[in-house]
Amino acid sequence: AQKVTQAQTEISVVEKEDVTLDCVYETRDTTYYLFWYKQPPSGELVFLIRRNSFDEQNEISGRYSWNFQKSTSSFNFTITASQVVDSAVYFCALSDRNAGNMLTFGGGTRLMVKP
Amino acid sequence: DGGITQSPKYLFRKEGQNVTLSCEQNLNHDAMYWYRQDPGQGLRLIYYSQIVNDFQKGDIAEGYSVSREKKESFPLTVTSAQKNPTAFYLCASSIDQGYSYNEQFFGPGTRLTVL
Repeated sequence: AQKVTQAQTEISVVEKEDVTLDCVYETRDTTYYLFWYKQPPSGELVFLIRRNSFDEQNEISGRYSWNFQKSTSSFNFTITASQVVDSAVYFCALSDRNAGNMLTFGGGTRLMVKP
Repeated sequence: DGGITQSPKYLFRKEGQNVTLSCEQNLNHDAMYWYRQDPGQGLRLIYYSQIVNDFQKGDIAEGYSVSREKKESFPLTVTSAQKNPTAFYLCASSIDQGYSYNEQFFGPGTRLTVL
């Protein structure tokens, strides 16, 4: 069965600190996709990144970076030099054929960045 | 501007009443979804639709109903049979549900409160 675990329910940091949000997933499929979404206080989920199971290259986008490791079934998200605007709930999600290509979401991590 | 609109933003319902949440998209997406989010939790799939006049139950469909008469519209009715309807409801769409790499785009959500 598909499962996504975000063990950190809440993280609090001070502005300019680096922070890593953990995501561990389970799937029996060899072809799958992993996603990260951001949910700011307004409520709308914003797509951040998609990664397929055959591409383990780390990705960097500005202050955001993602570390995908199949060996540990993890897809962690790091924010460098955090800012107050980064305060949000972040969701990791998995999509594979076994689940009919539906998204399976983790429970989310609430990040609070204090000035 | 292309996107997904949900209305109303806030909805109050008396116990025993049915209410309908609106979701419209102008992205020309084939697939649409309804999720429920409870405080501090991830998203759970209620219903999804891959094509007009067809829809499938998700993980928590009991007490809910949907229709898909037009490609752009996917309204959700919360019936009196739903025991605990107070939650945040998110609508999403994607190009094609048949491929696991398609990210979903989300609307701003409707917060339903039962009085």
